This record gives sequence, structure tokens and C-alpha cells, in this order.
Amino acid sequence: AQTVTQSQPEMSVQEAETVTLSCTYDTSESNYYLFWYKQPPSRQMILVIRQEAYKQQNATENRFSVNFQKAAKSFSLKISDSQLGDTAMYFCAFMKPGNKLVFGAGTILRVKS
Amino acid sequence: NAGVMQNPRHLVRRRGQEARLRCSPMKGHSHVYWYRQLPEEGLKFMVYLQKENIIDESGMPKERFSAEFPKEGPSILRIQQVVRGDSAAYFCASSFLDRVNYGYTFGSGTRLTVV
Repeated sequence: AQTVTQSQPEMSVQEAETVTLSCTYDTSESNYYLFWYKQPPSRQMILVIRQEAYKQQNATENRFSVNFQKAAKSFSLKISDSQLGDTAMYFCAFMKPGNKLVFGAGTILRVKS
Repeated sequence: NAGVMQNPRHLVRRRGQEARLRCSPMKGHSHVYWYRQLPEEGLKFMVYLQKENIIDESGMPKERFSAEFPKEGPSILRIQQVVRGDSAAYFCASSFLDRVNYGYTFGSGTRLTVV
């Protein structure tokens, strides 16, 4: 069974600075997908970024980028130029093609002014 | 194009009552997924449904919980004889089958409180 581990329960960052959230996963699959979701206080689950395991190039979406290390089974999220609106719970998630999402326990990120 | 709609947003039930949570997928989506989020935890998969079919219910508790997605109308997650441990946020998501790897679209969740 796949597992996803987020080892940082909470993180803080000053506004405009950069922060990296860690995620590791365990799988025997070679083809899969990885995601970061953001859950602000409104509780809405918002897809931040997606990575296909067969692609070596790291995904980027504006201020959000990932460092995908397939051999190490690591998938960290970097947020540049942090904004107050980035304050949220962030979940790393794993999916085999056609299957369900498996989530990590989440990291609470607080952006301070 | 409305997103995934869940209602009610908040639901309070006394122990032993039934809870019915509704989910209307995005227009054109025929696949629905239910997840549960216990306090201070990540989302845990419960069940995956297509119209009139349960595809994967490996995350559903064996008793008291059931789900359906009829040909017409929303998907329903039903919890009979609720207990305090059922208090959680329940999320529904939907997808096109061939777009599932792009990630689901989630609803805003239903927070169930059992008193």
C-alpha cells in the first residue's frame, strides 16, 4: 500500500520569503502522480500543483514549484515570495493512474507579516 | 459552471440519529469520491462511485456507512446510528474518468458534529 509522509506538522515564514514543505512517499509503482493541495481556513481543497512521475522536469505554477526526486521518493513544495493568503494547511498526495488519492497528514503553514 | 456542491455545510446530529450528506458533482463529471477528514488529520479515502455503481469501497467502515450515486440526482453518503467518533469533515470530489490524473475537484465539505 502507498503511504505519504509529511514530517513537518507546522511551518512559519515571513511574508515575501521562501519556504519549502517536505513530503516523502512509499510505493513500488513506477508510474504515478503526485499533488500538493492547499486547504485554507475556509476548508476548501485547492489543487496547487501536479507532477507526473515519468517526467523528470519539476512542475512549476507561478510562485509554487516542486523538487521531485524519484529515486529518493521525495516531493517537496517550494513557495516563493510568500503571501499572507498562502496561510493554510498543505497536503501532499499520491495517486496511481486511475486510482484513489492517498494524502499525507498535512503541514500547517503560517505566513507572518 | 458550478463546482462540486455539497450540502449541508454543517450538520449536527444526536447519537443514534442518521446523517445524510449530499454531493452534486461538477457538470459532466460521472465519477464521485468521498473522503473523511478527522480533526488534525489528512483526508482518508472512503468510497469511489460511478453512476449507479460502487467501484471501490475499501475505505468505508463495514457497518453503518453506505453510499450511492443514482442515475438521477446527487450522490448520498449515509451514516446510520451516528456515534461521536463519526464527527469529522466529509469531502466529496468528482472527475472525468480520463482526467482523473489531473486531480479531483473537491467540494467545500460537510462538517458533521455528533452530540
